[in-house]
Amino acid sequence: SQQGEEDPQALSIQEGENATMNCSYKTSINNLQWYRQNSGRGLVHLILIRSNEREKHSGRLRVTLDTSKKSSSLLITASRAADTASYFCATGPTGGFKTIFGAGTRLFVKA
Amino acid sequence: KAGVTQTPRYLIKTRGQQVTLSCSPISGHRSVSWYQQTPGQGLQFLFEYFSETQRNKGNFPGRFSGRQFSNSRSEMNVSTLELGDSALYLCASSPGAGGATTGELFFGEGSRLTVL
Repeated sequence: SQQGEEDPQALSIQEGENATMNCSYKTSINNLQWYRQNSGRGLVHLILIRSNEREKHSGRLRVTLDTSKKSSSLLITASRAADTASYFCATGPTGGFKTIFGAGTRLFVKA
Repeated sequence: KAGVTQTPRYLIKTRGQQVTLSCSPISGHRSVSWYQQTPGQGLQFLFEYFSETQRNKGNFPGRFSGRQFSNSRSEMNVSTLELGDSALYLCASSPGAGGATTGELFFGEGSRLTVL
């Protein structure tokens, strides 16, 4: 079963707009990560936030983590057509050796 | 530094056959994880190896097996293939650690298996 669930399942925006994706998870975690996947390709790691962190930035990406609500959000600012991809949250459960992925959000950025 | 390499990239098999997929991790990475990705089930964890030991296994039938060699390269095998095994199989490596924490995963491009 999947640990994380993303919301929305799909998102379509205009270039230049911001895109926000949310992720909820079920169990205690060591960290939460966001990955990107272009159609049919491998996943690329975007950012990792540890359970004792609340917010993290990397370029146009901003990630927040609320462990009390077991939720995270990924904000992509000033989106570009090249940001069109699927985005997955992934969690590393406490005491585990596996990273569990959510169902993903498909983002489409219109030029 | 070379990335994660998966072979073959594409393959077609028929029901009942078996298949072996290979993964070469990034040099120095000792942990290798395998995932199955399908449109209906998303990314499902298969297993994770560290220093030739399977540390965790997902909820898949015994037809799915894997191993890791002393050079950290890994293989997974699926026997008695079923139509539902058609998927993109992704391998990911990480430096790994002796402890339970997990970190960034580096993915290969995947092996796309079609079962007819």
